[in-house]
Amino acid sequence: AQKITQTQPGMFVQEKEAVTLDCTYDTSDPSYGLFWYKQPSSGEMIFLIYQGSYDQQNATEGRYSLNFQKARKSANLVISASQLGDSAMYFCAMRDRTQGGSEKLVFGKGTKLTVNP
Amino acid sequence: DAGITQSPRHKVTETGTPVTLRCHQTENHRYMYWYRQDPGHGLRLIHYSYGVKDTDKGEVSDGYSVSRSKTEDFLLTLESATSSQTSVYFCAIGPGTTNEKLFFGSGTQLSVL
Repeated sequence: AQKITQTQPGMFVQEKEAVTLDCTYDTSDPSYGLFWYKQPSSGEMIFLIYQGSYDQQNATEGRYSLNFQKARKSANLVISASQLGDSAMYFCAMRDRTQGGSEKLVFGKGTKLTVNP
Repeated sequence: DAGITQSPRHKVTETGTPVTLRCHQTENHRYMYWYRQDPGHGLRLIHYSYGVKDTDKGEVSDGYSVSRSKTEDFLLTLESATSSQTSVYFCAIGPGTTNEKLFFGSGTQLSVL
């Protein structure tokens, strides 16, 4: 069974500094996708970045980058130059195919990031 | 933004009553999902659908049933609500390819008293 682990319930970072949010995953499927979502206090789920299992390069989206280490089964999110608006819950998720061919997205428990001024 | 609407947005009900939450999409996406979000647990998959009348269980499906009679609507039913089902429920939709993100609804806050 697939599994997503986020070991940091809470993280603090100073404004303008970089921060890394950890995510490890477990799957036996060679084809899978990894996602990061942000959930601010308003509650909506905001897609940040995607990494495919066959992608050779680490994904980047503006200030967000994904440190993908396939052999270690880790997909850490790096936020550069933190801003106060980055304070939120961050969820790592993995998408893979079931034996029947359908797809589902499984989430970690999340990391609450607080950016201090 | 993806056209996805959850209703109701808030509901308070009593233990033992049936409750149905609705997710409606205008994107014609194949996949629809129901998650619940609880502090310390993140988002947990309840049920999902990969087509009309095609559904499957997630990790926390006990006490819940779903139906999808047309592409745009995915219903989540609590046959007999319990206090442990107090939660925020999110619907999500997606095209069903591994590299495509899911779009989420705004959530339904359900309180079972």
